[in-house]
Amino acid sequence: GAGVSQSPSNKVTEKGKDVELRCDPISGHTALYWYRQRLGQGLEFLIYFQGNSAPDKSGLPSDRFSAERTGESVSTLTIQRTQQEDSAVYLCASKQTYNSPLHFGNGTRLTVT
Amino acid sequence: DAKTTQPNSMESNEEEPVHLPCNHSTISGTDYIHWYRQLPSQGPEYVIHGLTSNVNNRMASLAIAEDRKSSTLILHRATLRDAAVYYCILYNAGKSTFGDGTTLTVKP
Repeated sequence: GAGVSQSPSNKVTEKGKDVELRCDPISGHTALYWYRQRLGQGLEFLIYFQGNSAPDKSGLPSDRFSAERTGESVSTLTIQRTQQEDSAVYLCASKQTYNSPLHFGNGTRLTVT
Repeated sequence: DAKTTQPNSMESNEEEPVHLPCNHSTISGTDYIHWYRQLPSQGPEYVIHGLTSNVNNRMASLAIAEDRKSSTLILHRATLRDAAVYYCILYNAGKSTFGDGTTLTVKP
């Protein structure tokens, strides 16, 4: 079946602009995660959605970052007033149940000029 | 969050076994140990996971210490396609935190 899909795959934006990144999880997966990965570094947790529970936003680096998820489907990560330090690959992952493995998309590479 | 510690890099020769260590001394009783690997320009992919007992699958084996404070991912015969960054994470309900992983280089 289809895996986790992220769009766009690449995004170049000017400093100060807003960007919206999209994640389509695997159908039936109740949990969804966003991570940020800077060049040559590990994954940095941003936010976690589980069903209809309130999301865990503890990893969002500033109030310029926000994310939404409609039910158990699509999620969007929005970065307002982008800065050069926001340049990174943004990865989305979903999982079916408590201990199911995470399934990752291939990410959106964001470049802020 | 419970944290894991891995060596920054390791090297292996092709067709030899590789043992990738991970320390997780603050693991709690309900934490699972998951391993993922990330090939260049791709998202991480699941490799294996376990709770207390050693585990085997088609990709690898996972050896878990009796006190659960460490684990080892075993690739029985490394191939060039196994060159990747390997992440060991502690997995529970809620957020899963990744460290910087181990970069595995496989030499022909």
